Amino acid sequence: GAVVSQHPSRVICKSGTSVKIECRSLDFQATTMFWYRQFPKQSLMLMATSNEGSKATYEQGVEKDKFLINHASLTLSTLTVTSAHPEDSSFYICSARELRENEPLHFGNGTRLTVT
Amino acid sequence: GQNIDQPTEMTATEGAIVQINCTYQTSGFNGLFWYQQHAGEAPTFLSYNVLDGLEEKGRFSSFLSRSKGYSYLLLKELQMKDSASYLCVTMDSNYQLIWGAGTKLIIKP
Repeated sequence: GAVVSQHPSRVICKSGTSVKIECRSLDFQATTMFWYRQFPKQSLMLMATSNEGSKATYEQGVEKDKFLINHASLTLSTLTVTSAHPEDSSFYICSARELRENEPLHFGNGTRLTVT
Repeated sequence: GQNIDQPTEMTATEGAIVQINCTYQTSGFNGLFWYQQHAGEAPTFLSYNVLDGLEEKGRFSSFLSRSKGYSYLLLKELQMKDSASYLCVTMDSNYQLIWGAGTKLIIKP
């Protein structure tokens, strides 16, 4: 089945630094990729929708200058957390949808970010 | 508005059967998904329904009634590893995904 690879799985960084998270669709082309964050014991929260070759659409309350999203190709989207702060510590998950309509969403394994 | 309702938590016994219900209201409808999520992990796809009826896949089955805005996920022969959150997700006419808050399923021996 379709596989989405997310890297890194865990990252610890110091406050003020930037962290890049990659999301790749390995065996299908994804016109749309989604980025979520999830706090402990809470539901997934959609941060932004990323379309290949165009600017990402951010959900209300998500700072686009802080969470930079680049969807450079049909198989790769990146999320960069800039000037990270401890409150950015969370579980970030990407997902991708195949070009065919009504195909399920496939998720990466997530990235646990800890900002110290 | 768009809304999904599913129970917050359910408890069942190992080897038994459990049904997790989901009701929804969306602007148009392009299918309903069920995902399983273990704590600290990303969700994994379980099923997709776009037509009325029952879809069976091993121990898991999913049912949809579009006229009632209702779906359920049926888990048979429960195993301890089935303890997880189960997320009901709908896709509206704009192909936007609406997520339920999830049902935490606790399996007891």
